[in-house]
Amino acid sequence: KNEVEQSPQNLTAQEGEFITINCSYSVGISALHWLQQHPGGGIVSLFMLSSGKKKHGRLIATINIQEKHSSLHITASHPRDSAVYICAVSGGATNKLIFGTGTLLAVQP
Amino acid sequence: GAVVSQHPSWVICKSGTSVKIECRSLDFQATTMFWYRQFPKQSLMLMATSNEGSKATYEQGVEKDKFLINHASLTLSTLTVTSAHPEDSSFYICSARAMGGKLFFGSGTQLSVL
Repeated sequence: KNEVEQSPQNLTAQEGEFITINCSYSVGISALHWLQQHPGGGIVSLFMLSSGKKKHGRLIATINIQEKHSSLHITASHPRDSAVYICAVSGGATNKLIFGTGTLLAVQP
Repeated sequence: GAVVSQHPSWVICKSGTSVKIECRSLDFQATTMFWYRQFPKQSLMLMATSNEGSKATYEQGVEKDKFLINHASLTLSTLTVTSAHPEDSSFYICSARAMGGKLFFGSGTQLSVL
């Protein structure tokens, strides 16, 4: 079992829909990151969370430390949101990132 | 916002040659940079952690003599793939950790070895 699990692996949505991507982890962490990777390969860090909730534009990220679970929400989705969304956790002695396998999101017009 | 510049974006080289990839933090100092490798439709795989002024820490299975990492300053780390072979063809991406722990990623380098 992977230390960081994401669901769903693939997601197709219609423009305007509310989207949720989930991430569960099994290790102790100091922070959880949500990353966005576009088809060209470049990665953008969307959020870094250690507790609670953060919002940036149409994106909302929440984390429940007790349940070891985080969600990324996209409101009013748009085709330009189409990308791979990656959950990664950092922690432990080395503070290295452990990556989830990613969620491929396609938002159709 | 903080930017990490990675060059080149793509490179094609002949087998046996060496390729250098640069990763620069443009507006912040990065004491730690990370180098990753990514195969198609797979997650990022950490290759090594690079600390300014000291030797890089390589992950298990990554050959340090093949993937030379230099972190000469607080804004520049380089990855040199020595004597490249077709199996080294991959997408390589760096990230830099800023104060507070936030990570910034380069745009990646697609390496194709013929």
